[in-house]
This record gives sequence, C-alpha cells and structure tokens, in this order.
Amino acid sequence: EAGVAQSPRYKIIEKRQSVAFWCNPISGHATLYWYQQILGQGPKLLIQFQNNGVVDDSQLPKDRFSAERLKGVDSTLKIQPAKLEDSAVYLCASGGYYNEQFFGPGTRLTVL
Amino acid sequence: KQEVTQIPAALSVPEGENLVLNCSFTDSAIYNLQWFRQDPGKGLTSLLLIQSSQREQTSGRLNASLDKSSGRSTLYIAASQPGDSATYLCAVGSSGSARQLTFGSGTQLTVLP
Repeated sequence: EAGVAQSPRYKIIEKRQSVAFWCNPISGHATLYWYQQILGQGPKLLIQFQNNGVVDDSQLPKDRFSAERLKGVDSTLKIQPAKLEDSAVYLCASGGYYNEQFFGPGTRLTVL
Repeated sequence: KQEVTQIPAALSVPEGENLVLNCSFTDSAIYNLQWFRQDPGKGLTSLLLIQSSQREQTSGRLNASLDKSSGRSTLYIAASQPGDSATYLCAVGSSGSARQLTFGSGTQLTVLP
C-alpha cells in the first residue's frame, strides 16, 4: 500500500512570496489533515477535510493560508504572502480505520 | 482544551537499556492515543495506536499503556538499540466527531552504542 505523498520536499522563498504544497493521501482515506510543525514542537493542526469538505479550519490563518481538496483526493495548501514565522515543516496526513493517522514525509519551508 | 505533555524532553541511554517515555494529558475524554516516531528531516511513523477502551498495545520491543483516569500513557522500549534514536511523539485523539490529534512536544531519545 502506497503511503502519503507530498511535494516538494524542500522550499526556500523570500518573505511576501507565495508557495504551494501538494498532498496525495493513501487511497481510500476520506479524511485528510494539514499540520504545521515548528522546530522543537509537536505538529499543530491547520485544517481537516472529510472527502472534499472542510471539517475544521479554526487554526488556519485565513488571511494568508488557503487549502482545497478538489474531488476528495489530492489537496493543496497555499501561503500568500509568506512571513518569516511560516518557516516550518508542513505535514499532510490521512486517516484510516479507527482514525489512525498516517503521515507523509513533509515539506520543509524556509522563508528568508 | 486538551494539553499534552511529554517528559523528559531529551533522554540519553546506553545500548541495551530498557526505558520508559511518559505522556500526560489534561482531558480524559479521549477517543484514542497514538505514539509516533520522527527521524530528523522525516515525517512521522505510527508506532502504536491504543483505543480508549484498551489498556495497552504491543509491537515487537515496544509496549504502550494507557490510563485514562489518570491522564497518562507510557511507551516502554525494551533492549534499546542505536537505531531507536529518534524523537518520540505522543498524540491524543479527541472524542468529538472530528477525531483530531493533539500532540506533545516529543522526547528526543539518543541510544549510545
């Protein structure tokens, strides 16, 4: 069974630029999550999808972050414009049986 | 709001030692608890999942226990090896319909050869 795929793995941008991350969950998983992990901390949930609908986006900074999951499969997370404090690893996860979550390798974002 | 604490933040042990990592949480109304391993620059690997009705789960040299009433979970690693060196994260699943995970900050484990 293929795992959760994410791209790119690394991204370096200047502040005020925009960036997008892509995630492909495990086949058949209806639930998809985006997390932000700052160095030395545990992941923090940004947004949760169930199929192509948003379950919770209460911790998503909506003035600069957006996410979509068209057709209930792949998802993209966008930041526009980026700030220095957005430097982090962005993790995508999908939920299987018993709500066990499986994570992708993450995208390490550096904002200069 | 659920809060998850992991102590210690870092741990260094000699190879072969048995060790225990601790996780505590403030709200006992949980759906499940998941232990993850994270290697530097990598994503999270699920180690063990304990449902709220269970007391423990075992996988190879790993054993995780759950005591909801006291808000605690432990991850026991037997006969530690240098390859066990990583950050171990505890995550508590909420009992609400969204079933979201709240993570601790992790314990960074170093096993010395």
